[in-house]
Formats: sequence, structure tokens, C-alpha cells
Amino acid sequence: GENVEQHPSTLSVQEGDSAVIKCTYSDSASNYFPWYKQELGKRPQLIIDIRSNVGEKKDQRIAVTLNKTAKHFSLHITETQPEDSAVYFCAARANKFYFGSGTKLNVKP
Amino acid sequence: DAGITQSPRHKVTETGTPVTLRCHQTENHRYMYWYRQDPGHGLRLIHYSYGVKDTDKGEVSDGYSVSRSKTEDFLLTLESATSSQTSVYFCAISEQPRTSGSSDTQYFGPGTRLTVL
Repeated sequence: GENVEQHPSTLSVQEGDSAVIKCTYSDSASNYFPWYKQELGKRPQLIIDIRSNVGEKKDQRIAVTLNKTAKHFSLHITETQPEDSAVYFCAARANKFYFGSGTKLNVKP
Repeated sequence: DAGITQSPRHKVTETGTPVTLRCHQTENHRYMYWYRQDPGHGLRLIHYSYGVKDTDKGEVSDGYSVSRSKTEDFLLTLESATSSQTSVYFCAISEQPRTSGSSDTQYFGPGTRLTVL
């Protein structure tokens, strides 16, 4: 089955800096890659996603890039704010969804 | 939030007892999923359903069973709870993950925190 690896497990940045979280996947059949944000005690919420026929997608301060050849995709958050502090999960879907182990992002004011 | 509810939201039970968790949706989505979330492991798929009475195993299905007799309800049963099943359980729904061009976004329920003593 699919194997999704996510790095780093923790990330601390200063407010206003950029944050980058990286994921790799193993199954070349994976064609959909969502990113979720999970605040403490809450459910995961979709923040952005990308499909295999697209290389990059942006939504305000958030962007995702996909390199199908290398089988990796990344989440980029610019101008980070304290409210961006949360755990972020990447996922890859072939016939099922497989999730990375999560990145705890701490944005220091 | 999508119309997904889970019950109970919290449960404490003893080893060896059966436990049933319920997921209810009002979105009429075809696909429903059960995940468990544990520190350091992200979300791991237990079972999923692609229609009424149609279910399949995920990566951590041992010790769990599911049933879906109606589109809106997906039940997860721990046949004989063990301490290793202490976790937060999330239900999720999506429309047509196998069909290109259609919405396959997953929406999650609020979660159930289960403690097995």
C-alpha cells in the first residue's frame, strides 16, 4: 500500500516568517493530495489540496507544490501568524487515503 | 462544518467489553470512513464504506468491525475492547473518491475520545 512520510515533525518559526512542510509518497497511482490543519481538540480541516495534473496551487498565504517525478509535495505558508499554530497533516490518495504523521507548527509572536 | 456527528463524544470502558461508535451524516455522501488518531501516527484508516452494506478494510482493521445499513449511518464496533484501542476516533465522509472530476474532498466529524481501562 501507500506510504506517506512527513517532515519535520515539529517546526517553530517567528511570526511573519515562512514555513515549509514536506511529504513524500510511494504509490505512483496516488492522484490527490490534500492538506489538513488540526487545532488542539478539534477535527482536521481541509486547507488546500492539489491533484496530480497540477504542479502548484495557491490560496492567499498558503501554497502547495507537487513533484510527481520525485513523488513529493510540500505546503508553504507565508507571512505566518500565531493563529497558524496547529498540527498539519498531508495525505495521498490512490484508492484510499493515507496520512502523514503530522507536523506541529508553532508560530512565535 | 459538513453535517457529520459522532456519538458518543467521550467514552470510558473496561477491557473485554464491546463498544459501538456511531457516525451520522446529513450530506448524502456515498463514502464513509473510520480513522483512529494516535500521537506520532497521524490518522490511520480502520475501515471504510463505499455504499450501503459495502465495506472494506483499512490498514489497522484487526479487532474492529463496521456496518452500514443506511446511507447516513456508519457504525464502528470494537468486539472486545483492549487498552491498545484507547484512541481518538474520527469519522469522515466524501462523495466519489474513485471518480475523476468529481468532488473527493474528505470532511471529518468531531471525533470520539475512547479510553479502555
